[in-house]
Parts: sequence; structure tokens; C-alpha cells
Amino acid sequence: QKEVEQNSGPLSVPEGAIASLNCTYSDRGSQSFFWYRQYSGKSPELIMFIYSNGDKEDGRFTAQLNKASQYVSLLIRDSQPSDSATYLCAVTVSDSWGKLQFGAGTQVVVTP
Amino acid sequence: DTGVSQNPRHKITKRGQNVTFRCDPISEHNRLYWYRQTLGQGPEFLTYFQNEAQLEKSRLLSDRFSAERPKGSFSTLEIQRTEQGDSAMYLCASRQDRSSGNTIYFGEGSWLTVV
Repeated sequence: QKEVEQNSGPLSVPEGAIASLNCTYSDRGSQSFFWYRQYSGKSPELIMFIYSNGDKEDGRFTAQLNKASQYVSLLIRDSQPSDSATYLCAVTVSDSWGKLQFGAGTQVVVTP
Repeated sequence: DTGVSQNPRHKITKRGQNVTFRCDPISEHNRLYWYRQTLGQGPEFLTYFQNEAQLEKSRLLSDRFSAERPKGSFSTLEIQRTEQGDSAMYLCASRQDRSSGNTIYFGEGSWLTVV
């Protein structure tokens, strides 16, 4: 069973601080990695994707990928109350049709 | 690009009744996925279409579930003889072939409550 693991949280972050979210995956054939944000009662919203080892930055968000360690992370800089949500890590399943496997998500709470 | 559209957004049904959800993907997206999400869990894959062909079904998809995409555009997901365990959010997603990073985009979801 291929798995994607995330800490469930909640991760409490003061406003303006950096939130650090981690994700590990078991499928060594995974090629693409995604972070989705999900507000309560809403559907997942894509934040960013990464498929090369290293860092990828998009505004206040930075994704980091280490395929050798099967680890992907998301940093949120200058955290805002509007960042309070559940963050889902997803990876493509190898030998599939672009199917994604999701972690259970990490709840982030940004406190003013 | 109007996004992935799903309806109905909410459905309350009695146990044993049939329900059908519809998904209209982003135009030109030939790949379409159905996922199911329960509280506190990430979305779980149910089935995948490439154009009108259903190429993969999860073992989660019991015989009571059926999905179609008759003309390679919109898709329907039908649940027969609903059970309380079917209560969840049903998510549709779509993408193009060779889209950047294999990115898929989700609709707003259809909430099902079985009472």
C-alpha cells in the first residue's frame, strides 16, 4: 500500500511567523508533488507543485523536494490568519494515469 | 475557463435511495477523475476517465457505484442503494494531457448525507 504521511496538527503559528509542513511518501516512482489548501467545507485548492529536487518559491510559499529521502515540505512565510486551513500533500502514483494519492492533511492555525 | 463544475452541491437522501452527481470538467480537459473525501481524511481516488473511456476503478468503488462519461465531456457518478457510510464529499477533477506538472484541478465538490 503506497502511503503519503503528514502530521495531522493542528500546527499553531503566530501571525507573521513561518509555518513549516512536512510530508513523506512511500512510492519511489512518484514524479510530481503537490500542495493543496483546503478550507473547512470547501474543496482542495492547488497552491503549488514541484517535480525537481530542490526548492521552488511562489510568493510566500516555498516547496522543497528531496526524492532520495522521499520527503516534500511546504514553508509559508509571513503567515496570515487567512492561511488557517488544512494543507494536503499529494503525489502522483507511479504507473497510473496521473492519479494522485493524498495525505490526510495538516491543519494550520495562524493566531493573531 | 469556467473551472470544474459539480452539481448538486449538496444532497440529503434516505438510506436505500439512488443518487447521481454530475461533473462538467474544464473544457479541453480530456482526463477526468472522481475522488471521495470523508471528514479528517484526504481525498481518495475512485475512478478515472480519459475521454469517454473509464480506464481505472478503485477497489473502493463497490458495485453500487457506477460512473460514466458518455461523450468524453461531462461525467456522472451514480450511487445505488445508498448507505450511511456513503456520506462524504464527492470531488471531480480534470486535467489536460501533458499539463504542466500533471496538475489536476478540483471542482467545488458534492456533499452527500445519507440519513
